[in-house]
Amino acid sequence: EAGVAQSPRYKIIEKRQSVAFWCNPISGHATLYWYQQILGQGPKLLIQFQNNGVVDDSQLPKDRFSAERLKGVDSTLKIQPAKLEDSAVYLCASSSPRGAEAEAFFGQGTRLTVV
Amino acid sequence: GDSVTQMEGPVTLSEEAFLTINCTYTATGYPSLFWYVQYPGEGLQLLLKATKADDKGSNKGFEATYRKETTSFHLEKGSVQVSDSAVYFCALIRNTGGFKTIFGAGTRLFVKA
Repeated sequence: EAGVAQSPRYKIIEKRQSVAFWCNPISGHATLYWYQQILGQGPKLLIQFQNNGVVDDSQLPKDRFSAERLKGVDSTLKIQPAKLEDSAVYLCASSSPRGAEAEAFFGQGTRLTVV
Repeated sequence: GDSVTQMEGPVTLSEEAFLTINCTYTATGYPSLFWYVQYPGEGLQLLLKATKADDKGSNKGFEATYRKETTSFHLEKGSVQVSDSAVYFCALIRNTGGFKTIFGAGTRLFVKA
């Protein structure tokens, strides 16, 4: 079974520029997550989709971050404009909830450096 | 709100030493509990899980027991190897109208040969 695919693996941009990340979840997984992991910290949930609907985006900085999951499969996360504090690894995960065992499967992440 | 608290790292051990990484949680209801591991340069991988009180999750020599009375899920291994060097994350999942995973800050483990 193919895992969660993310691209690009690395990205360096200047502050105030825009950037987009792409995620392809495991086939058949209805739930998709975007996490932000700042160096030395645990992943922080930015947004959670169930199919193509948003379940939770309470921690998404909506003035600069946006995400979509058209057709309930692939997803893109965009930052516009980027700030220095956005430097982090952006992790995509997917899951197929079965009762309480809704473990998430993670991609390798996109490391963003804002200079 | 729900939260997970882990012991601060880094934890440095010699090969074959006993490992304990403490994890406690705060949550309403009865969440499922997980340990994830992140090896250098890689994404997070599920290490083990427990879905109800007194369950013991185990994998690759690691174990953790879901203790409802102490709201804990401590990770243990009897004899660590250099290859166990990684960052370990404790996490909980509860159904809030959509399953949501909440992570601890992570504990970095260094194992010396």
